[in-house]
Amino acid sequence: AQTVTQSQPEMSVQEAETVTLSCTYDTSESNYYLFWYKQPPSRQMILVIRQEAYKQQNATENRFSVNFQKAAKSFSLKISDSQLGDTAMYFCAFSSGGSQGNLIFGKGTKLSVKP
Amino acid sequence: NAGVTQTPKFRILKIGQSMTLQCTQDMNHNYMYWYRQDPGMGLKLIYYSVGAGITDKGEVPNGYNVSRSTTEDFPLRLELAAPSQTSVYFCASSSRTGQFFGPGTRLTVL
Repeated sequence: AQTVTQSQPEMSVQEAETVTLSCTYDTSESNYYLFWYKQPPSRQMILVIRQEAYKQQNATENRFSVNFQKAAKSFSLKISDSQLGDTAMYFCAFSSGGSQGNLIFGKGTKLSVKP
Repeated sequence: NAGVTQTPKFRILKIGQSMTLQCTQDMNHNYMYWYRQDPGMGLKLIYYSVGAGITDKGEVPNGYNVSRSTTEDFPLRLELAAPSQTSVYFCASSSRTGQFFGPGTRLTVL
């Protein structure tokens, strides 16, 4: 069975600094998708970034980028120039059924951005 | 384009009562999902659907039922509510880009 592990329950960062959130996963599949979702206090789940396992190039979306290490089964999220609005829970998720497959979530990392 | 909408936003049920959580999407997505999120945890899949008339169980389906008569709607039915069903429920639909979530329903069973 696939599992997703986020080993950092809480993290904090100063505004304008860079922070990296960790995620590891376990699977025997060779083709899959990985995602990072943001959940602010409003409770809304917001897709931040996605990575296709067959692509070696790391995905980037503005201030958000990932470090995808397929052999190590690691998928970390880097947030550059952190902003107060980045304060949220961040969930790493895995899908082996294509980009529309069922998601398996980690337990999340609570990120606080301090002024 | 409203995306994924859910009603109600909050609900308190007594043990043994039943209710239906409504979910509608206006993006013409074939795939839809129901998840629950317990405190301090990630989301767990209850049921999913790959198109109208087709549904299947996820990781935690016990105590729930779903139907999918149209592409837009994917209601989740709770029969005989139990305290263990106290949770936040999210509906989602997906495109090739990824899954897009509704705002959630906070359900408390007392």
